[in-house]
Amino acid sequence: AQSVAQPEDQVNVAEGNPLTVKCTYSVSGNPYLFWYVQYPNRGLQFLLKYITGDNLVKGSYGFEAEFNKSQTSFHLKKPSALVSDSALYFCAVRDGAGGSQGNLIFGKGTKLSVKP
Amino acid sequence: DSGVTQTPKHLITATGQRVTLRCSPRSGDLSVYWYQQSLDQGLQFLIQYYNGEERAKGNILERFSAQQFPDLHSELNLSSLELGDSALYFCASSFGQGAGVDTEAFFGQGTRLTVV
Repeated sequence: AQSVAQPEDQVNVAEGNPLTVKCTYSVSGNPYLFWYVQYPNRGLQFLLKYITGDNLVKGSYGFEAEFNKSQTSFHLKKPSALVSDSALYFCAVRDGAGGSQGNLIFGKGTKLSVKP
Repeated sequence: DSGVTQTPKHLITATGQRVTLRCSPRSGDLSVYWYQQSLDQGLQFLIQYYNGEERAKGNILERFSAQQFPDLHSELNLSSLELGDSALYFCASSFGQGAGVDTEAFFGQGTRLTVV
């Protein structure tokens, strides 16, 4: 079965520093990976996705993610964190069992806190 | 704005009652997903419909049911409510005609259900 793991419940960084939010995955077949962000009392917003091709994927709000097949990881990164980046971040994988319309399976989320 | 509309935004009801949550997907999207988000369980996939048919089932209780109507809106019915059903319920949509595995899902703002 497809799954993702986010090993950190919380990540704390200082504003202006680089940030990394970790995600590892387990899939049978090709991995289709996604990152979402959730601000307080809001729905999830799509940030970026990896389907195929370049291992470095660029997304919204200056975020990027690096796909590493040998380490089965898809870490979310940003070169310079902003206080406004503070939110809950979810990694997700498409459920291959559902075929091309499979649902998304989410990790438990990582709370990012950026301090001024 | 994701284009996915959920109503109501908030719902307070008593144990044992039944409620219906409504979701209007993005224009043209054929797939609707329901997720439950609680503090202890994280983001749990409940059920998916694609073009009116049930496509995948997750951790959905027997007291819960859903359907997708010909106009593609969906309803999630929760019955015999218990205190533990208090959570944020999200609807998401994706897969307009011709979409493939690289298609992300777009989330509504959620319905916050409080069972008292």
